[in-house]
Amino acid sequence: AQSVTQLGSHVSVSEGALVLLRCNYSSSVPPYLFWYVQYPNQGLQLLLKYTSAATLVKGINGFEAEFKKSETSFHLTKPSAHMSDAAEYFCAVRVSSGGYNKLIFGAGTRLAVHP
Amino acid sequence: DARVTQTPRHKVTEMGQEVTMRCQPILGHNTVFWYRQTMMQGLELLAYFRNRAPLDDSGMPKDRFSAEMPDATLATLKIQPSEPRDSAVYFCASGWEDRNEQFFGPGTRLTVL
Repeated sequence: AQSVTQLGSHVSVSEGALVLLRCNYSSSVPPYLFWYVQYPNQGLQLLLKYTSAATLVKGINGFEAEFKKSETSFHLTKPSAHMSDAAEYFCAVRVSSGGYNKLIFGAGTRLAVHP
Repeated sequence: DARVTQTPRHKVTEMGQEVTMRCQPILGHNTVFWYRQTMMQGLELLAYFRNRAPLDDSGMPKDRFSAEMPDATLATLKIQPSEPRDSAVYFCASGWEDRNEQFFGPGTRLTVL
C-alpha cells in the first residue's frame, strides 16, 4: 500500500536558518508526491508537487523538494527560514483506488521559527 | 480569487443534536472531498464526489454520517446524532480530477459537548 512517513512531528529553527522537513514514501508504482502547508485556523494549501518530471521541484514561498528514488524520499527544504514559515507541513502521496485518485497524508510536521 | 468556502466556521452543539456542514466548491471543479482532522488521527478522508456523484464514502461512520451534493455549488456533510468523538475540524476540498491538486476550504471546527 502506498503511504508517506514524516520524520519528526516538531521541528524548530532559528530565523534565517535552513529548513529541512523529512518525508519518506512507500509506493510500488512511480509516485505523485505533494507538500501542503497549513497555517493556524486555515485549510491546507499546496506548496509544491512532484509528478514524474524534474526531480527538483520548486514551490511557493521559496520552498523546494527533491525526489530521490534511491532513498524513497521527498524532503522539503528552504535555505533561510522566515517567521512567517511557522505552520504545519504535510507530505502526501496520490493513490489510485476504486477508479479515482485520492491523497494519503502524513501525520504532519509542525515548524516553529524563533528569532 | 476563487476559493472553497465552508459554513459555519465554528459549531458547538450538544450530544445527540444534528449537525450540517456546508461547502461551496470552486466553480468548474468536478471533484469534492470531505476530510476530518484530529490530533489523534490526523487527516482522514471521509467522502469523495465526482461530478456530484458519491464514489467513495468508506471513511464515514455509515450509521450517523451522510454526505450529499444537491447541486454543483453545494456539498453537505451531516451528522445525526452527533457524539463527542465527532469533535474535529472538517475540511472540504475541490479540484479537477485530471489534475493533481486539491483546493481546501478553511474548515468547520465542530465541538460536541
